[in-house]
Amino acid sequence: KQEVTQIPAALSVPEGENLVLNCSFTDSAIYNLQWFRQDPGKGLTSLLLIQSSQREQTSGRLNASLDKSSGRSTLYIAASQPGDSATYLCAVTAGGTSYGKLTFGQGTILTVHP
Amino acid sequence: DVKVTQSSRYLVKRTGEKVFLECVQDMDHENMFWYRQDPGLGLRLIYFSYDVKMKEKGDIPEGYSVSREKKERFSLILESASTNQTSMYLCASSFWDAGTDTQYFGPGTRLTVL
Repeated sequence: KQEVTQIPAALSVPEGENLVLNCSFTDSAIYNLQWFRQDPGKGLTSLLLIQSSQREQTSGRLNASLDKSSGRSTLYIAASQPGDSATYLCAVTAGGTSYGKLTFGQGTILTVHP
Repeated sequence: DVKVTQSSRYLVKRTGEKVFLECVQDMDHENMFWYRQDPGLGLRLIYFSYDVKMKEKGDIPEGYSVSREKKERFSLILESASTNQTSMYLCASSFWDAGTDTQYFGPGTRLTVL
């Protein structure tokens, strides 16, 4: 059974810092990996999707990498801002005929203070 | 933009009541999902559907059923609500395309069962 772990569980940084969020998964047979953002009391917003054949994806100040063989992904946030404060979730899509089923990590709660 | 809407943001029901949670998406996606999110347990998949009238059990289907009579609508049903079903319920939809599917989430329904 796939298990996804995110480290750290919470992170508090001053504005302007570059930071890294970590995600690991136990079964490397994945189709893709996604990073989501969730604001308090809200739904999830997809940030980046990395296909299993890719190594990284970038969107603005966000860069996500994937090392499928070692079961790891990182989300790099450059020049953090208070508006980046949210919970960040990593999720992997199973391979085979699982029709896009996602397994989520517990999330990292990020606080960026001015 | 993809839009996934859920019928209620907040819902309060009594033990034993039958509860319907509705989800509608406007992007003609084949796949739809129901998750629940609980502190310390993260997001867990209850049921998903990859076509009209098709449904598959997720990781925690006990106590729930679903209905998908039309492509755009996916309903989650609690036949007899219990207090341990108090949770945040999130609906999502996606289009499966060779590993590039992104799941789009609704805003969530916070259900309290008294």
